[in-house]
Amino acid sequence: DAKTTQPNSMESNEEEPVHLPCNHSTISGTDYIHWYRQLPSQGPEYVIHGLTSNVNNRMASLAIAEDRKSSTLILHRATLRDAAVYYCILRFSGAGSYQLTFGKGTKLSVIP
Amino acid sequence: EPEVTQTPSHQVTQMGQEVILRCVPISNHLYFYWYRQILGQKVEFLVSFYNNEISEKSEIFDDQFSVERPDGSNFTLKIRSTKLEDSAMYFCASSEGRTLVQAQYFGPGTRLLVL
Repeated sequence: DAKTTQPNSMESNEEEPVHLPCNHSTISGTDYIHWYRQLPSQGPEYVIHGLTSNVNNRMASLAIAEDRKSSTLILHRATLRDAAVYYCILRFSGAGSYQLTFGKGTKLSVIP
Repeated sequence: EPEVTQTPSHQVTQMGQEVILRCVPISNHLYFYWYRQILGQKVEFLVSFYNNEISEKSEIFDDQFSVERPDGSNFTLKIRSTKLEDSAMYFCASSEGRTLVQAQYFGPGTRLLVL
């Protein structure tokens, strides 16, 4: 199964853009890249997903490398409410499994 | 915006007692899940449920666990004889479908403490 690698922690200043990286060098051609986040004392929250093309939604943008071996979640303007653990998760095609497999994620701190 | 709700928010129980954790998934969702997170550790999958039966379960989900959809709105996780190591946050989630593009929507969790 393809694995993801994320930095343990990152810091950002409030109102600055944040780029959260994820490496997934063994990704298969039809595996989807999902991002979730977990605010303190809350359940995980879906952020965004993509396959090959860059994606935007109201929460964030997802930039996917051309070779798909890495991706970057972009928060365009960090707020204090964005302080959370961000998880990059691969959803495997053909595996017959629909569970989400969470790693340790990246803990984002936002400095006022 | 529709959301997954869970009750109770906190539950304290004695070792060996049975607990039932309750969840109300988003109303048009067909797939339901339980995950748990031991303090300071990763979120771990327990079980998925569709069409009134378990579709997938992890090694954690042993005979002491069971799930049920007793009516059209609730989804429950029962732990028959709790152990100290069952202390964790338990998250319910639901999804409209089960394809690789569909998100799972999580509830706020139930914090279970086994004494």
